[in-house]
Amino acid sequence: QKEVEQDPGPLSVPEGAIVSLNCTYSNSAFQYFMWYRQYSRKGPELLMYTYSSGNKEDGRFTAQVDKSSKYISLFIRDSQPSDSATYLCAIIKAAGNKLTFGGGTRVLVKP
Amino acid sequence: NAGVMQNPRHLVRRRGQEARLRCSPMKGHSHVYWYRQLPEEGLKFMVYLQKENIIDESGMPKERFSAEFPKEGPSILRIQQVVRGDSAAYFCASSPPGELGTYEQYFGPGTRLTVT
Repeated sequence: QKEVEQDPGPLSVPEGAIVSLNCTYSNSAFQYFMWYRQYSRKGPELLMYTYSSGNKEDGRFTAQVDKSSKYISLFIRDSQPSDSATYLCAIIKAAGNKLTFGGGTRVLVKP
Repeated sequence: NAGVMQNPRHLVRRRGQEARLRCSPMKGHSHVYWYRQLPEEGLKFMVYLQKENIIDESGMPKERFSAEFPKEGPSILRIQQVVRGDSAAYFCASSPPGELGTYEQYFGPGTRLTVT
């Protein structure tokens, strides 16, 4: 079993819709949670990171963590074609240094 | 503020040659990480370095791969005697100093290595 599971997609939505992405993880030692966006043939770009269970908002992005279920989510409101990319969740243990990535979900926002 | 810089962006090597990948962290960052993204696979951690120190190399293949982050200059990932299976995108990330710094890793554009 992989440490982090993420549906590969592709997830296709119309422009303006809410994009909903999620990951599950297996080890409760993971305490910090990140979301990255990666355009084709580019490096991952850090969108958000969070520690606590609950919601964290940043502009059109909301990250949600449920540690009891080992489930993390990212919501993108008012999606734009420029949001079309692969979204990667990443997790790290407390006092750790290496990110463990999900396989990524490919998102396509159609105009 | 320039981001993480990597060069070369593309590198072609024949089997048996050496590959050297360079990474300059963001200004003010003192931690450097290398990750590898194989075709159709996710990003995998390789090594974590601070200036003149390898902190965690648990993801590095045991042979042919080495990394350094000297006092002056960029971090170098070196692959000796490359094989076709080394073809991948290699990403460098950096993070600020401090206990919580490792939770904020910023990635460079990557070096795409092709072994022919």
